[in-house]
Amino acid sequence: AQSVTQLGSHVSVSEGALVLLRCNYSSSVPPYLFWYVQYPNQGLQLLLKYTSAATLVKGINGFEAEFKKSETSFHLTKPSAHMSDAAEYFCAVRATNAGGTSYGKLTFGQGTILTVHP
Amino acid sequence: KAGVTQTPRYLIKTRGQQVTLSCSPISGHRSVSWYQQTPGQGLQFLFEYFSETQRNKGNFPGRFSGRQFSNSRSEMNVSTLELGDSALYLCASSPLLAKNIQYFGAGTRLSVL
Repeated sequence: AQSVTQLGSHVSVSEGALVLLRCNYSSSVPPYLFWYVQYPNQGLQLLLKYTSAATLVKGINGFEAEFKKSETSFHLTKPSAHMSDAAEYFCAVRATNAGGTSYGKLTFGQGTILTVHP
Repeated sequence: KAGVTQTPRYLIKTRGQQVTLSCSPISGHRSVSWYQQTPGQGLQFLFEYFSETQRNKGNFPGRFSGRQFSNSRSEMNVSTLELGDSALYLCASSPLLAKNIQYFGAGTRLSVL
């Protein structure tokens, strides 16, 4: 079984500051990992994904994440926060079988609400 | 290309009633998954359909059911509604070849009174 833990339910940064949202995963097989963002009254938008290729993954809106197998982590970063980044962020894992085929179920972390101060 | 469309966006029901939610996937996507989002439990997987067959099911009671039609549109049904069923229900679709990516709709917010 797989699980995801997001450290910190709320993160507050100043505009222009570094954004760091933490995600640790647990999976018995090589995982696919995702970061999604959710704005109020909207669905989830994919920011980036890791699917066993490059360990440093670049996504939309200047976000990136690094897969560290030794630390079972997939932290999300952005060098300079913008007011429009204020939203809730979800890390998710999707299990694969031995052949690398992905199962359909996404397991999400509890989410981190990012607040950006002017 | 249109995104995932969920209808209705908002729904108010009373305890004991049943409800049907609809999801139209992105054109060409054949896999549809459903999730429930609540403040207390977060995002939880309900079920996944592919080519009209349920492939995967989460840990929800039998009151929650779903189906997929030949055009890939999907519906989920909740019978005998309980107050705890109040939630945002999200549908996601996946393309056949890049099946590890799920694209989400805006959701249906269900309130049970």
